[in-house]
Amino acid sequence: RKEVEQDPGPFNVPEGATVAFNCTYSNSASQSFFWYRQDCRKEPKLLMSVYSSGNEDGRFTAQLNRASQYISLLIRDSKLSDSATYLCVVNDLYGNKLVFGAGTILRVKS
Amino acid sequence: GAVVSQHPSRVICKSGTSVKIECRSLDFQATTMFWYRQFPKQSLMLMATSNEGSKATYEQGVEKDKFLINHASLTLSTLTVTSAHPEDSSFYICSARDDVRGNYGYTFGSGTRLTVV
Repeated sequence: RKEVEQDPGPFNVPEGATVAFNCTYSNSASQSFFWYRQDCRKEPKLLMSVYSSGNEDGRFTAQLNRASQYISLLIRDSKLSDSATYLCVVNDLYGNKLVFGAGTILRVKS
Repeated sequence: GAVVSQHPSRVICKSGTSVKIECRSLDFQATTMFWYRQFPKQSLMLMATSNEGSKATYEQGVEKDKFLINHASLTLSTLTVTSAHPEDSSFYICSARDDVRGNYGYTFGSGTRLTVV
């Protein structure tokens, strides 16, 4: 089983749509969780950290369910510029490194 | 914000030659840096963890003699791909972890696209 699993997509949505991505992780000792965004042929960039109580940043909302070892990202009012690959990332306290999911491709179309 | 400079951004080399990639944290100290490789349409795969002043820790399946890592200061790590072959062609990305921000302070370099011909 992969340490971090994501639906690869692609998710094809119209502008203005709401879209949700899910991610599961296998290591119950994981302590830090992130969503990164990666554009084609570019480096990953931090979108947002994910906190236990859930957190929101503008149109983006992240949720964490430790019991189910599940992380989600909700994007409201999708923009064309949101088209990218979204990476679920987990930092293992004991491993002391970032573990990346394979990413979910989002394509927002006009 | 935190910036990591990675050079070169793109390199084409002949089989059998060596290529050095630099990763430099510009405005923070990073005792720990990470080197990743990404093949087309695949996720980032951690190759090794670079620690200032000590030997790097390599992930399983990564040849330490082929991918030489040097982390001589708190702001600079280098990855040298020795005797490169076409199968080493990939996107190499470094990441530096801010000593102050810890787990919430990872910054990536812009990557190096290596093509071995």
